[in-house]
Amino acid sequence: KAGVTQTPRYLIKTRGQQVTLSCSPISGHRSVSWYQQTPGQGLQFLFEYFSETQRNKGNFPGRFSGRQFSNSRSEMNVSTLELGDSALYLCASSLTATSGANVLTFGAGSRLTVL
Amino acid sequence: AQSVTQLDSQVPVFEEAPVELRCNYSSSVSVYLFWYVQYPNQGLQLLLKYLSGSTLVESINGFEAEFNKSQTSFHLRKPSVHISDTAEYFCAVSAGYGGATNKLIFGTGTLLAVQP
Repeated sequence: KAGVTQTPRYLIKTRGQQVTLSCSPISGHRSVSWYQQTPGQGLQFLFEYFSETQRNKGNFPGRFSGRQFSNSRSEMNVSTLELGDSALYLCASSLTATSGANVLTFGAGSRLTVL
Repeated sequence: AQSVTQLDSQVPVFEEAPVELRCNYSSSVSVYLFWYVQYPNQGLQLLLKYLSGSTLVESINGFEAEFNKSQTSFHLRKPSVHISDTAEYFCAVSAGYGGATNKLIFGTGTLLAVQP
C-alpha cells in the first residue's frame, strides 16, 4: 500500500515567485492536511480538506492557498514568495475528518528554499 | 485554546540507558494525545496515541507513554534506548475532540541524541 506522496521533494525559488506543491494521499483516504515546519516556528497547521472542501484553515496570510480534487489529491500554492516561506511543507492524509481521533499519515515533505 | 509544551529541546543519553521525554498539554476539554517521531529528511511517523481507556499506551518498538490528567502530562519513556532511536520527537494534541477536524497542535519537539 503506497504511502502519502509529495512532489517535488526539493525545490528552490526566488523571492516574488510562486510555487505549487502536490500531495497524493493514501488510497481511500479522503482527508488531507498541510503543515509548515520551520526551525523557528516549528510545526504549524496550514489547512485541512475533506471531500474537496476546506474544513479548517490556520493563521497564514492569503498568499497561502490550497485545494483538493475529486480523487482526493491536494495541492497547495504559495504566491509572492518571501524568504520566510523557506520551510518543509508536510502533507498528511486520513480516512475521514469526522473525529480528532483519526491518525494522520504524513508524507516525506517538500523542502522549499526561497532565495 | 489547546497547547502543548515540550520543555526539553534536546536530550542526550547513552545507548542502553533509560530516557523520558516530557510533554505537558493545556486544554479546556478532554483530549486525544499523540507522539510522532521524525527521522532526518523524513516526514512524521506516529509512535503512539492516547484516545481513551488505559492511561498507559505502548508502541511496538519499546516506547510507552502515560496519560496523566491531573498533571496534564503525556511523557514518553523507553527503558533502554538504541542508537537508531536518535530522532526528533513531537508531542501533539488533537484540536478535534468532539469536533470534525484532524488538526493537530504540536509541541516544539525534543531531539533525542543517543550516544554510544
